[in-house]
Amino acid sequence: EAGVAQSPRYKIIEKRQSVAFWCNPISGHATLYWYQQILGQGPKLLIQFQNNGVVDDSQLPKDRFSAERLKGVDSTLKIQPAKLEDSAVYLCASSLVLGQGVNIQYFGAGTRLSVL
Amino acid sequence: GQQLNQSPQSMFIQEGEDVSMNCTSSSIFNTWLWYKQDPGEGPVLLIALYKAGELTSNGRLTAQFGITRKDSFLNISASIPSDVGIYFCAGPEISSGSARQLTFGSGTQLTVLP
Repeated sequence: EAGVAQSPRYKIIEKRQSVAFWCNPISGHATLYWYQQILGQGPKLLIQFQNNGVVDDSQLPKDRFSAERLKGVDSTLKIQPAKLEDSAVYLCASSLVLGQGVNIQYFGAGTRLSVL
Repeated sequence: GQQLNQSPQSMFIQEGEDVSMNCTSSSIFNTWLWYKQDPGEGPVLLIALYKAGELTSNGRLTAQFGITRKDSFLNISASIPSDVGIYFCAGPEISSGSARQLTFGSGTQLTVLP
Protein backbone atom coordinates (compact mmCIF):
# COMPACT_ATOMS: atom_id res chain seq x y z
CA GLU A 1 0.00 0.00 0.00
CA ALA A 2 1.44 3.36 -1.04
CA GLY A 3 1.87 5.90 1.74
CA VAL A 4 1.09 9.60 1.87
CA ALA A 5 2.99 11.39 -0.89
CA GLN A 6 4.18 14.97 -0.55
CA SER A 7 6.10 17.28 -2.82
CA PRO A 8 8.38 19.05 -2.99
CA ARG A 9 10.61 17.67 -0.22
CA TYR A 10 12.47 20.96 0.17
CA LYS A 11 11.74 24.55 -0.75
CA ILE A 12 13.76 27.70 -0.21
CA ILE A 13 12.12 31.06 -0.88
CA GLU A 14 12.55 34.66 0.09
CA LYS A 15 10.11 36.41 2.37
CA ARG A 16 7.04 37.82 0.67
CA GLN A 17 7.21 35.17 -2.05
CA SER A 18 4.52 32.55 -2.55
CA VAL A 19 4.84 28.79 -2.18
CA ALA A 20 2.59 25.78 -2.63
CA PHE A 21 2.79 22.25 -1.29
CA TRP A 22 1.06 19.20 -2.65
CA CYS A 23 -0.23 16.08 -0.88
CA ASN A 24 -1.68 12.82 -2.16
CA PRO A 25 -3.20 10.79 0.69
CA ILE A 26 -3.45 7.04 1.03
CA SER A 27 -6.05 5.70 -1.36
CA GLY A 28 -9.48 5.57 0.24
CA HIS A 29 -8.65 7.84 3.17
CA ALA A 30 -11.42 10.39 3.48
CA THR A 31 -9.75 12.61 6.05
CA LEU A 32 -6.70 14.71 5.26
CA TYR A 33 -4.71 16.93 7.60
CA TRP A 34 -2.04 19.58 7.15
CA TYR A 35 0.35 20.18 10.03
CA GLN A 36 3.10 22.70 10.64
CA GLN A 37 6.11 21.44 12.58
CA ILE A 38 8.56 24.06 13.78
CA LEU A 39 12.03 22.81 14.72
CA GLY A 40 12.05 21.32 18.20
CA GLN A 41 8.27 21.10 18.48
CA GLY A 42 5.56 18.61 17.79
CA PRO A 43 3.29 18.95 14.75
CA LYS A 44 0.55 21.56 15.01
CA LEU A 45 -2.65 21.10 13.06
CA LEU A 46 -3.41 23.75 10.46
CA ILE A 47 -6.45 22.36 8.69
CA GLN A 48 -8.51 19.19 8.48
CA PHE A 49 -10.56 18.02 5.49
CA GLN A 50 -13.27 15.40 5.28
CA ASN A 51 -13.50 14.49 1.59
CA ASN A 52 -13.52 17.91 -0.10
CA GLY A 53 -14.98 19.84 2.83
CA VAL A 54 -13.16 21.69 5.59
CA VAL A 55 -13.82 20.24 9.05
CA ASP A 56 -11.61 22.58 11.04
CA ASP A 57 -9.36 25.44 9.96
CA SER A 58 -9.38 27.36 13.22
CA GLN A 59 -5.59 27.34 13.50
CA LEU A 60 -4.89 28.27 9.89
CA PRO A 61 -3.55 31.85 9.50
CA LYS A 62 -6.08 32.70 6.84
CA ASP A 63 -4.56 36.04 5.96
CA ARG A 64 -1.69 34.21 4.26
CA PHE A 65 -2.42 30.48 4.26
CA SER A 66 -4.97 28.70 2.12
CA ALA A 67 -5.69 25.06 1.38
CA GLU A 68 -8.00 23.16 -0.88
CA ARG A 69 -8.99 19.61 -1.65
CA LEU A 70 -11.23 20.13 -4.64
CA LYS A 71 -11.94 16.54 -5.68
CA GLY A 72 -11.64 15.01 -2.24
CA VAL A 73 -8.31 13.35 -2.97
CA ASP A 74 -5.20 15.50 -3.53
CA SER A 75 -4.71 18.66 -1.54
CA THR A 76 -2.61 21.79 -1.87
CA LEU A 77 -1.48 24.17 0.85
CA LYS A 78 -0.41 27.66 -0.18
CA ILE A 79 1.37 30.46 1.63
CA GLN A 80 1.16 33.94 0.16
CA PRO A 81 3.12 35.98 1.11
CA ALA A 82 5.60 33.99 3.18
CA LYS A 83 7.15 35.32 6.38
CA LEU A 84 10.36 34.29 8.09
CA GLU A 85 8.41 32.56 10.87
CA ASP A 86 6.80 30.23 8.30
CA SER A 87 10.07 28.29 8.10
CA ALA A 88 9.06 24.80 9.20
CA VAL A 89 8.27 21.31 8.00
CA TYR A 90 4.76 21.01 6.56
CA LEU A 91 3.35 17.55 7.10
CA CYS A 92 0.35 16.00 5.43
CA ALA A 93 -1.48 13.11 7.04
CA SER A 94 -4.51 11.04 6.16
CA SER A 95 -6.79 8.71 8.05
CA LEU A 96 -9.63 6.38 7.26
CA VAL A 97 -12.42 7.23 9.67
CA LEU A 98 -13.85 10.50 10.89
CA GLY A 99 -15.91 10.82 14.02
CA GLN A 100 -16.26 8.18 16.69
CA GLY A 101 -13.21 6.18 17.59
CA VAL A 102 -9.62 7.02 17.00
CA ASN A 103 -8.36 8.00 13.60
CA ILE A 104 -4.91 6.54 13.12
CA GLN A 105 -3.14 9.14 11.08
CA TYR A 106 -0.48 8.24 8.56
CA PHE A 107 2.03 10.94 7.74
CA GLY A 108 3.95 11.87 4.64
CA ALA A 109 7.65 12.73 4.76
CA GLY A 110 6.88 16.43 4.78
CA THR A 111 8.07 19.52 2.92
CA ARG A 112 10.86 21.45 4.60
CA LEU A 113 10.37 25.17 3.94
CA SER A 114 13.08 27.74 4.52
CA VAL A 115 12.11 31.39 4.22
CA LEU A 116 15.09 33.73 3.85
CA GLY B 1 -7.10 23.11 23.71
CA GLN B 2 -5.42 20.27 25.51
CA GLN B 3 -1.72 20.43 26.28
CA LEU B 4 0.70 17.54 26.50
CA ASN B 5 3.90 17.82 28.52
CA GLN B 6 6.53 15.36 27.44
CA SER B 7 9.76 14.56 29.28
CA PRO B 8 12.61 14.37 29.11
CA GLN B 9 13.22 16.75 26.25
CA SER B 10 16.33 14.82 25.20
CA MET B 11 18.23 11.72 26.22
CA PHE B 12 21.71 10.41 25.52
CA ILE B 13 22.12 6.73 26.30
CA GLN B 14 24.55 3.91 25.62
CA GLU B 15 23.58 1.17 23.23
CA GLY B 16 21.96 -1.68 25.15
CA GLU B 17 20.50 0.52 27.87
CA ASP B 18 16.79 0.81 28.61
CA VAL B 19 14.94 4.08 28.04
CA SER B 20 11.87 5.55 29.65
CA MET B 21 9.91 8.67 28.70
CA ASN B 22 6.55 10.00 29.72
CA CYS B 23 3.77 12.32 28.77
CA THR B 24 1.25 14.12 30.97
CA SER B 25 -1.91 15.96 30.08
CA SER B 26 -3.83 18.79 31.66
CA SER B 27 -7.03 16.88 30.97
CA ILE B 28 -8.26 13.33 30.55
CA PHE B 29 -7.47 11.44 27.38
CA ASN B 30 -9.39 8.45 26.09
CA THR B 31 -6.58 7.34 23.81
CA TRP B 32 -2.83 7.70 23.83
CA LEU B 33 -0.65 7.32 20.76
CA TRP B 34 3.12 7.12 20.55
CA TYR B 35 4.87 8.12 17.33
CA LYS B 36 8.50 8.09 16.26
CA GLN B 37 9.96 10.55 13.79
CA ASP B 38 13.22 9.81 12.02
CA PRO B 39 15.24 12.71 10.60
CA GLY B 40 13.69 14.01 7.39
CA GLU B 41 10.62 11.82 7.72
CA GLY B 42 7.09 12.12 9.02
CA PRO B 43 5.97 10.57 12.32
CA VAL B 44 5.25 6.84 12.29
CA LEU B 45 2.81 5.26 14.75
CA LEU B 46 4.47 2.90 17.23
CA ILE B 47 1.79 2.03 19.77
CA ALA B 48 -1.85 2.94 20.40
CA LEU B 49 -3.45 2.69 23.86
CA TYR B 50 -7.22 2.69 24.27
CA LYS B 51 -8.06 2.23 27.95
CA ALA B 52 -6.78 3.22 31.36
CA GLY B 53 -4.22 0.82 32.79
CA GLU B 54 -3.56 -0.81 29.44
CA LEU B 55 -0.03 -2.07 28.88
CA THR B 56 0.90 -2.76 25.26
CA SER B 57 4.13 -3.99 23.69
CA ASN B 58 5.54 -3.73 20.20
CA GLY B 59 8.83 -5.61 20.09
CA ARG B 60 11.23 -3.86 22.45
CA LEU B 61 8.76 -1.05 23.02
CA THR B 62 6.24 -1.06 25.85
CA ALA B 63 3.72 1.68 26.54
CA GLN B 64 1.24 2.15 29.35
CA PHE B 65 -1.94 4.17 29.63
CA GLY B 66 -1.95 5.73 33.10
CA ILE B 67 -4.73 4.94 35.55
CA THR B 68 -5.59 8.62 35.94
CA ARG B 69 -5.97 8.84 32.13
CA LYS B 70 -3.78 11.93 32.27
CA ASP B 71 -0.45 10.27 31.57
CA SER B 72 1.32 7.65 29.53
CA PHE B 73 4.76 6.06 29.52
CA LEU B 74 6.93 4.61 26.79
CA ASN B 75 9.79 2.27 27.53
CA ILE B 76 12.41 0.97 25.12
CA SER B 77 14.47 -1.99 26.21
CA ALA B 78 17.99 -2.84 25.05
CA SER B 79 18.34 0.22 22.83
CA ILE B 80 20.02 -0.06 19.43
CA PRO B 81 21.35 2.64 17.08
CA SER B 82 18.21 2.68 14.93
CA ASP B 83 16.19 3.79 17.96
CA VAL B 84 17.60 7.27 17.38
CA GLY B 85 14.90 9.78 16.60
CA ILE B 86 12.20 11.93 18.17
CA TYR B 87 9.42 10.24 20.08
CA PHE B 88 6.07 12.00 20.34
CA CYS B 89 3.06 11.26 22.44
CA ALA B 90 -0.28 12.30 21.00
CA GLY B 91 -3.91 12.18 21.89
CA PRO B 92 -7.14 12.98 20.11
CA GLU B 93 -9.30 15.88 21.16
CA ILE B 94 -12.81 16.60 20.12
CA SER B 95 -13.25 19.69 18.02
CA SER B 96 -16.13 20.96 15.93
CA GLY B 97 -18.34 18.28 14.44
CA SER B 98 -16.80 15.57 16.60
CA ALA B 99 -13.75 15.58 14.39
CA ARG B 100 -10.83 13.91 16.10
CA GLN B 101 -7.70 15.99 15.91
CA LEU B 102 -4.42 14.99 17.43
CA THR B 103 -2.55 17.07 19.97
CA PHE B 104 1.15 16.28 20.04
CA GLY B 105 3.67 16.57 22.83
CA SER B 106 6.88 18.48 22.20
CA GLY B 107 8.87 15.29 21.71
CA THR B 108 11.78 13.43 23.30
CA GLN B 109 14.97 13.44 21.23
CA LEU B 110 16.77 10.12 21.75
CA THR B 111 20.43 9.66 20.92
CA VAL B 112 22.00 6.21 21.23
CA LEU B 113 25.77 6.17 21.65
CA PRO B 114 27.74 3.13 20.44
